[in-house]
Amino acid sequence: AQSVTQLDSQVPVFEEAPVELRCNYSSSVSVYLFWYVQYPNQGLQLLLKYLSGSTLVKGINGFEAEFNKSQTSFHLRKPSVHISDTAEYFCAVSDPGNTPLVFGKGTRLSVIA
Amino acid sequence: GAVVSQHPSRVICKSGTSVKIECRSLDFQATTMFWYRQFPKQSLMLMATSNEGSKATYEQGVEKDKFLINHASLTLSTLTVTSAHPEDSSFYICSARPGGSGGYTFGSGTRLTVV
Repeated sequence: AQSVTQLDSQVPVFEEAPVELRCNYSSSVSVYLFWYVQYPNQGLQLLLKYLSGSTLVKGINGFEAEFNKSQTSFHLRKPSVHISDTAEYFCAVSDPGNTPLVFGKGTRLSVIA
Repeated sequence: GAVVSQHPSRVICKSGTSVKIECRSLDFQATTMFWYRQFPKQSLMLMATSNEGSKATYEQGVEKDKFLINHASLTLSTLTVTSAHPEDSSFYICSARPGGSGGYTFGSGTRLTVV
């Protein structure tokens, strides 16, 4: 079964600084990778996904992630964060086919003014 | 894009009563629906997978008699929390994979509070 490890439970960062949220997944022949954001008391919003093709994936709100098969990683990056980026971020993985998403434990990004 | 409509968004019920949560796929046929639960400050944990016209598959540790899932049509899956207790208070969210591959679509979630 797939699994996801988010190495940092909390990441504080100053406004306008760059940020990287780390995600590693269990190895598999084929894998689909996702990053979601969850604001307080709200549902999930898709930031970006990797299904195939280019390993550098660009998402919404200036976020991007790079699929690294050799390191089984899919780290999320943003060059300059805003206060409004303060939220919980979840990395998730799935197999192809009608299978469920498996979520990591989440990383709480706190942007400090 | 594919949309899953989830209702209610919030519900408060008394201990011992039952609550039904509905998820409808609005513009696609959802042969499979995934049900997740999220406790405060925790991640989403898969509870069960429902398939249209057949019994749901529950994850280890999830009581099938307590969390009744029905997927009677290609556009509607329901989760009923029976004899709810305060420890069942949580955020419940459904998800489907339109087309059976690629991306997922999520309902907006149901916040259940049992008092």
